[in-house]
Amino acid sequence: GQNIDQPTEMTATEGAIVQINCTYQTSGFNGLFWYQQHAGEAPTFLSYNVLDGLEEKGRFSSFLSRSKGYSYLLLKELQMKDSASYLCAVRGGSNYQLIWGAGTKLIIKP
Amino acid sequence: GAGVSQSPSNKVTEKGKDVELRCDPISGHTALYWYRQSLGQGLEFLIYFQGNSAPDKSGLPSDRFSAERTGGSVSTLTIQRTQQEDSAVYLCASSLGPGRENEQFFGPGTRLTVL
Repeated sequence: GQNIDQPTEMTATEGAIVQINCTYQTSGFNGLFWYQQHAGEAPTFLSYNVLDGLEEKGRFSSFLSRSKGYSYLLLKELQMKDSASYLCAVRGGSNYQLIWGAGTKLIIKP
Repeated sequence: GAGVSQSPSNKVTEKGKDVELRCDPISGHTALYWYRQSLGQGLEFLIYFQGNSAPDKSGLPSDRFSAERTGGSVSTLTIQRTQQEDSAVYLCASSLGPGRENEQFFGPGTRLTVL
């Protein structure tokens, strides 16, 4: 079957760095997405990886290792507004269908 | 429009009633997706439209669920004879096309509560 695993919840301190891991098992691979979802709101796009390596975008970076079926989202200089759920999604064998993880709820403490 | 819009934002209905949820995608986006998200869960894929056709209906949980898209734009998701387990947030997303790099833009969702 197809499976996306992420930790359910993580806690970090304002100003610190946090890494949210995602492992996946899918039939085929055509890219991995990270989305941010604040409580009661729709998911918003953060990053896309299709090749191995690190993609940096401001305070957020996303890493992919296709051979290990593994990705992480790295958030630096954490701010209180970063408190949200972070969803990992993989585009498997199809061109369009995304398989979604359950999300990691990130709690930022002062 | 500026973004994906959905209506209604909230819908409370009685078990056994039919409901219709509407999605208006970003202008020019040919691909449209419906998802369901239960509390604390990830997104569950329901159906995908490319233009007006739905090449993938595999996620629809039962024959009580149907969707259509007209004019390559607005889509409606209909749930007949609603059940309590249908209670969830129904999210619609659109993208420029089915190409693999295209990010999906989400609407605010419709929160459905079946009493």
